[in-house]
Amino acid sequence: DGGITQSPKYLFRKEGQNVTLSCEQNLNHDAMYWYRQDPGQGLRLIYYSQIVNDFQKGDIAEGYSVSREKKESFPLTVTSAQKNPTAFYLCASMGTGYSNQPQHFGDGTRLSIL
Amino acid sequence: AQSVSQHNHHVILSEAASLELGCNYSYGGTVNLFWYVQYPGQHLQLLLKYFSGDPLVKGIKGFEAEFIKSKFSFNLRKPSVQWSDTAEYFCAVNAPGGGNKLTFGTGTQLKVEL
Repeated sequence: DGGITQSPKYLFRKEGQNVTLSCEQNLNHDAMYWYRQDPGQGLRLIYYSQIVNDFQKGDIAEGYSVSREKKESFPLTVTSAQKNPTAFYLCASMGTGYSNQPQHFGDGTRLSIL
Repeated sequence: AQSVSQHNHHVILSEAASLELGCNYSYGGTVNLFWYVQYPGQHLQLLLKYFSGDPLVKGIKGFEAEFIKSKFSFNLRKPSVQWSDTAEYFCAVNAPGGGNKLTFGTGTQLKVEL
């Protein structure tokens, strides 16, 4: 079945450490997104990419970095500059070859600070 | 920038009660509207979407939503809730173009009691 795979499901970060969250999709979608979910704040957009080798900052990009070297992969790195990284991170993708499509979401990665 | 407001943060209902969750957005142009649901421990799933046409849209599991352009609203309804509807519900908006970024509301936590 096609879908979005996020790994790991749980991740722990030490102070000063960078960690990378994986997001892979086999839906052949062009666009991919990273959101951060905090209790009572909904989902906020971190970064998004509409095509390979191109990405844009979302509303809360500071302390994060991404790459889009392959269509199916959009890893997110939480850097040591992100002072409050504890959150639930959701990856999404969307087809852009035709109009009016919703975003599909992965199961998420829960990041905590040790 | 567009924003989305969900006024009900926590809702508790008894089984068979009717449900209406409010969603208002602030964007004067053409928008696409979505309701997503997140069941405990599961990924975000699309409940229903509005792109154009009939402002009353029907989604999965007996949910429906009505787009009222003059009120900038897209309220979610269900005539009779079930215990299995216990979940968090998110309203989301995107303005076509510009990366198809979604702006989410803060979510409504629904608890249905037996």
